[in-house]
Amino acid sequence: AQKVTQAQTEISVVEKEDVTLDCVYETRDTTYYLFWYKQPPSGELVFLIRRNSFDEQNEISGRYSWNFQKSTSSFNFTITASQVVDSAVYFCALSEGPYSGAGSYQLTFGKGTKLSVIP
Amino acid sequence: DGGITQSPKYLFRKEGQNVTLSCEQNLNHDAMYWYRQDPGQGLRLIYYSQIVNDFQKGDIAEGYSVSREKKESFPLTVTSAQKNPTAFYLCASSISSGKGNEQYFGPGTRLTVT
Repeated sequence: AQKVTQAQTEISVVEKEDVTLDCVYETRDTTYYLFWYKQPPSGELVFLIRRNSFDEQNEISGRYSWNFQKSTSSFNFTITASQVVDSAVYFCALSEGPYSGAGSYQLTFGKGTKLSVIP
Repeated sequence: DGGITQSPKYLFRKEGQNVTLSCEQNLNHDAMYWYRQDPGQGLRLIYYSQIVNDFQKGDIAEGYSVSREKKESFPLTVTSAQKNPTAFYLCASSISSGKGNEQYFGPGTRLTVT
């Protein structure tokens, strides 16, 4: 069974500090996908990134960067120069593949990390 | 603009009453999903539908029912059999149910049952 662990329940940083959100996953499949979502106080989850298991290149998008390491089963998310607007709950999620029957398509979410950026 | 709408944003019901949560999408997505979120918890899958007139139970389907008569719509009914219905409910859709397809979420409905 697949599992996603976000060990950091809550993090507080001062504006402009860098912060890294940890995500560790477990899966038996060799083909899988990892996701990060942001949930601002409004409640709607916003898709941030998808990474497949064959692509270990790190990705940078503005102030956001992601570090995928298969050797440690981790997919960490770093926000550089944090801003108040980054305050939200961030979820890491895992989807196994290829399709192998009912239920194997679904996303498994971690419990989320609540980030508070203090001005 | 394409997106997912859920209504209402807040819903209050008395214990013992069934209640239906609306979810509509105009993204032309085949797959739709219902999740439940409790405080401090991740999202748990209630039901999903890969195509019209077909749906499957997720991890916590007991006490819930769904229908998928139209591609755009996937309403969720919380029945009186659901023991702890108070929660935040999120609807999502994806282009298909393939493993690598990201899901897009609606704004959610916060249900309170007293």
